[in-house]
Amino acid sequence: DTGVSQDPRHKITKRGQNVTFRCDPISEHNRLYWYRQTLGQGPEFLTYFQNEAQLEKSRLLSDRFSAERPKGSFSTLEIQRTEQGDSAMYLCASSLAGLDEQFFGPGTRLTVL
Amino acid sequence: GENVEQHPSTLSVQEGDSAVIKCTYSDSASNYFPWYKQELGKRPQLIIDIRSNVGEKKDQRIAVTLNKTAKHFSLHITETQPEDSAVYFCAASMKQGGSEKLVFGKGTKLTVNP
Repeated sequence: DTGVSQDPRHKITKRGQNVTFRCDPISEHNRLYWYRQTLGQGPEFLTYFQNEAQLEKSRLLSDRFSAERPKGSFSTLEIQRTEQGDSAMYLCASSLAGLDEQFFGPGTRLTVL
Repeated sequence: GENVEQHPSTLSVQEGDSAVIKCTYSDSASNYFPWYKQELGKRPQLIIDIRSNVGEKKDQRIAVTLNKTAKHFSLHITETQPEDSAVYFCAASMKQGGSEKLVFGKGTKLTVNP
């Protein structure tokens, strides 16, 4: 499968715990995006990387959220001290710089109890 | 501010009829407008897109139109089939300040009745 992949697909955690998600973009895509989607809403932008540089962060991204892309390939999104309001689908997308098309992964569904 | 409005939120049509979904955007610098189809529990899939230098684009039963002056763009699906049933999202690129993000509408749940 040469598409965007995400792991895990589902995560259930208790309030206050830390969670980390991984995204593997399409090979050779140098841009990687994280979005969050709640029920009945469209995806909301969180942050994006070009290669290993994090170039933009949404105001939605509180200090409890951190994302990395250390080698310019896969990325991780960590949420510290999870809250019930963090429950959502976390989507990753990738694209080639200079091309607009973003291709999404299957998402990680987070449930915070 | 950055905003994309999408209407209607739900749309029910009979198989074979046409469906139209409309969006408006706020950022006059936006120049890329994709449409995604999301089936239940699956990833958003890019089905068609249009750039600001084009007024209309068609791909088989799907077409998208863009009115830059009015900041409107629409998705048209002709000869609808039950497998077209899904949630459709419009999006607009937000270019202010060098941004590369997409801002999405809230989605339209399309149901095609056999």
